Amino acid sequence: KAGVTQTPRYLIKTRGQQVTLSCSPISGHRSVSWYQQTPGQGLQFLFEYFSETQRNKGNFPGRFSGRQFSNSRSEMNVSTLELGDSALYLCASSADIYEEQYFGPGTRLTVT
Amino acid sequence: AQSVTQPDIHITVSEGASLELRCNYSYGATPYLFWYVQSPGQGLQLLLKYFSGDTLVQGIKGFEAEFKRSQSSFNLRKPSVHWSDAAEYFCAVVLSGGYQKVTFGTGTKLQVIP
Repeated sequence: KAGVTQTPRYLIKTRGQQVTLSCSPISGHRSVSWYQQTPGQGLQFLFEYFSETQRNKGNFPGRFSGRQFSNSRSEMNVSTLELGDSALYLCASSADIYEEQYFGPGTRLTVT
Repeated sequence: AQSVTQPDIHITVSEGASLELRCNYSYGATPYLFWYVQSPGQGLQLLLKYFSGDTLVQGIKGFEAEFKRSQSSFNLRKPSVHWSDAAEYFCAVVLSGGYQKVTFGTGTKLQVIP
């Protein structure tokens, strides 16, 4: 069974730009969660989607948004990038939120 | 608000020594509990999980964890650490009922010295 894939793996953007990150979950998994990982902060929950519906959202500004498609693939978008958005963005898929999460390798975003 | 605390940011142990990583949570009810490991350059991987039943759970790579309701803790242990265990360890919690989110601790970085 193929694992969780994330594209792109690395991104360099300039302040004020926007970015879209993609995540393909494990086949059959309907729950996709997104996290921001920065040194010392651990994993900060961004949002969770289940069957195309956002079920939960973390404490991030409205510049962070996401969606899930009918095939469970998910995208997250960050508009008007700030320097503080530089981080590793992780996607995780699971059968449901109470089950084991399978993580992708992440997208390393650098904002200059 | 729910929270997960890993009080040790960094721990150093000698190879072959025992290990205990602490995790405390603050919730009203018993949550679902997980430990994940993130090895250098690798993604996060589940070590073990607790949903209910026996409070001592066994995981992969020789790890175990004990749920203590009275202390709101879910500490991770390993009797003999190997150099390959050097990684960052995250405790995670999900409340039961409704649409919940996974809350992760800030992680404990483990260094293993020969």
